[in-house]
Amino acid sequence: GESVGLHLPTLSVQEGDNSIINCAYSNSASDYFIWYKQESGKGPQFIIDIRSNMDKRQGQRVTVLLNKTVKHLSLQIAATQPGDSAVYFCAERGSNYQLIWGAGTKLIIKP
Amino acid sequence: DGGITQSPKYLFRKEGQNVTLSCEQNLNHDAMYWYRQDPGQGLRLIYYSQIVNDFQKGDIAEGYSVSREKKESFPLTVTSAQKNPTAFYLCASNDGGSGANVLTFGAGSRLTVL
Repeated sequence: GESVGLHLPTLSVQEGDNSIINCAYSNSASDYFIWYKQESGKGPQFIIDIRSNMDKRQGQRVTVLLNKTVKHLSLQIAATQPGDSAVYFCAERGSNYQLIWGAGTKLIIKP
Repeated sequence: DGGITQSPKYLFRKEGQNVTLSCEQNLNHDAMYWYRQDPGQGLRLIYYSQIVNDFQKGDIAEGYSVSREKKESFPLTVTSAQKNPTAFYLCASNDGGSGANVLTFGAGSRLTVL
């Protein structure tokens, strides 16, 4: 079946360093992927998305990379700030056009 | 400001009671969704509605019911048939259709069964 998973449940990064959050997906036919950020006690917020016809997409301080060969997705956050502390979710669009969510990675920023 | 309002933020329920969670949006979105979130897990889709007066079951619809009588509103009822209802419930919306995927979420409702 379709599933989305994450390599690490918790990532600890020094403030100012770059963060890389990884995500694996299982359906090679998935054509759309998305990243959300969820702060404690709040709803998820959209960060960035990417379609399968792209390998890379950049936003403000964030970059998403898609490697379709190994079915791997990553979110890079440049110059990590305290406000980046959150749980980050990747999701892929399933066969019924609904999103299939990973379990999330908690990003901890060390001062 | 446009957005999604969920209420109540916290809710306690005794076993055997039905509870209804409210979700209202003023984004003029056609589609609305309910997700359940458990600790350490991703979001799981309960129900979704692409248009008024129509809705579809998601992956974990058993023990839940919804209605979509107005475009702005998509209430979720957690029935006594739901065996493990304690969770964080998230409502979301978007423009719907196969091409629109970015969801806007509410702040969530945390339900605890005593």
